[in-house]
Amino acid sequence: AQTVTQSQPEMSVQEAETVTLSCTYDTSESDYYLFWYKQPPSRQMILVIRQEAYKQQNATENRFSVNFQKAAKSFSLKISDSQLGDAAMYFCASSRVNTDKLIFGTGTRLQVFP
Amino acid sequence: KAGVTQTPRYLIKTRGQQVTLSCSPISGHRSVSWYQQTPGQGLQFLFEYFSETQRNKGNFPGRFSGRQFSNSRSEMNVSTLELGDSALYLCASSWGQGLTEAFFGQGTRLTVV
Repeated sequence: AQTVTQSQPEMSVQEAETVTLSCTYDTSESDYYLFWYKQPPSRQMILVIRQEAYKQQNATENRFSVNFQKAAKSFSLKISDSQLGDAAMYFCASSRVNTDKLIFGTGTRLQVFP
Repeated sequence: KAGVTQTPRYLIKTRGQQVTLSCSPISGHRSVSWYQQTPGQGLQFLFEYFSETQRNKGNFPGRFSGRQFSNSRSEMNVSTLELGDSALYLCASSWGQGLTEAFFGQGTRLTVV
């Protein structure tokens, strides 16, 4: 069974600064996907970034990047140059290959202060 | 291109009643998944449908059921509602050929009184 753990219920960052959200996971699969989703107050889940486990290179999307440590089963999200619009709940999730079933962590609420 | 549409957006039901929620995926998407989100349990997987077949099922009682139609639209049904079924129900769609990106709808907020 897959499990995803987010140990930081809340984080805060000042505008323009950098923040890192932590995520660890457990799986017996040799190949899988990892995701970070953002859920703003509107409640609509938005994909932030995706990482294929077989790729060693860390995924990057503009100001968002991950630190994927496969051996340690760690998948942290770094947000650079934080903006007020980044304030939201952030969920780490995993999925086996060839299925759309996502296993989510409990989420981290990110506050951004001006 | 229209996004994932969930109807209704809000719903209030009485204990013991049944409810049907609808999800229209993005055009061309063949996979639809459902999730329940509550403050206590977080985001939990309910079902996954691909081409009208249930591909995965979460750990929920038999009161929760779903189906997918030939046009990929999906419905989920909850019978004999309990107070604990109050939640945000989220639907996600994707192409289904191995997970590329799942697009989520805005959810249906169900309140059971």
